[in-house]
Amino acid sequence: KQEVTQIPAALSVPEGENLVLNCSFTDSAIYNLQWFRQDPGKGLTSLLLIQSSQREQTSGRLNASLDKSSGRSTLYIAASQPGDSATYLCAVEEYNTDKLIFGTGTRLQVFP
Amino acid sequence: DGGITQSPKYLFRKEGQNVTLSCEQNLNHDAMYWYRQDPGQGLRLIYYSQIVNDFQKGDIAEGYSVSREKKESFPLTVTSAQKNPTAFYLCASTGAVDNEQFFGPGTRLTVL
Repeated sequence: KQEVTQIPAALSVPEGENLVLNCSFTDSAIYNLQWFRQDPGKGLTSLLLIQSSQREQTSGRLNASLDKSSGRSTLYIAASQPGDSATYLCAVEEYNTDKLIFGTGTRLQVFP
Repeated sequence: DGGITQSPKYLFRKEGQNVTLSCEQNLNHDAMYWYRQDPGQGLRLIYYSQIVNDFQKGDIAEGYSVSREKKESFPLTVTSAQKNPTAFYLCASTGAVDNEQFFGPGTRLTVL
């Protein structure tokens, strides 16, 4: 059974730092991996989608990488800002399922 | 604006009552999903539908029911059989191109 783990569970950093959030999954037979952001009491916002054939995706200050063989993905946030404070979730879609399996998230706080 | 809407934002229910949560999308997506989110836990899949007039149980379907009579709409009914219904409920949909999943703003259900 696929399991998705995110470490750390919480992270607090000063503004301007570059930081890395980690996501690991137990079964490498995935169709894609998606990173989301969730603000308190809100829905999820899609940040980046990496197909299984891709190694990374970039959007602005965000860069997500995927290493299927090791079952890992990282979300890199450059020059962090207080507005980046949120919970970040990763999710994998397995082949022929059309379903996402979510990690429990990393709660990020960026202080001025 | 294209997107997913959920209503109501907050919902209060007395024990023993059934309630229906609304989810509408104008993204022309075929697949739609209902998740439940509890504090400290990841998202758990309740039901999903890959096409009109068809739906499948997710991991925690007991005490819930759905219908998919129209492509745009996927309402979720929380029945009195659901023993612990207080939670944050999220609806999502997926396009056919790359399977990127998009979420609505959520409904917070509280049982009094």
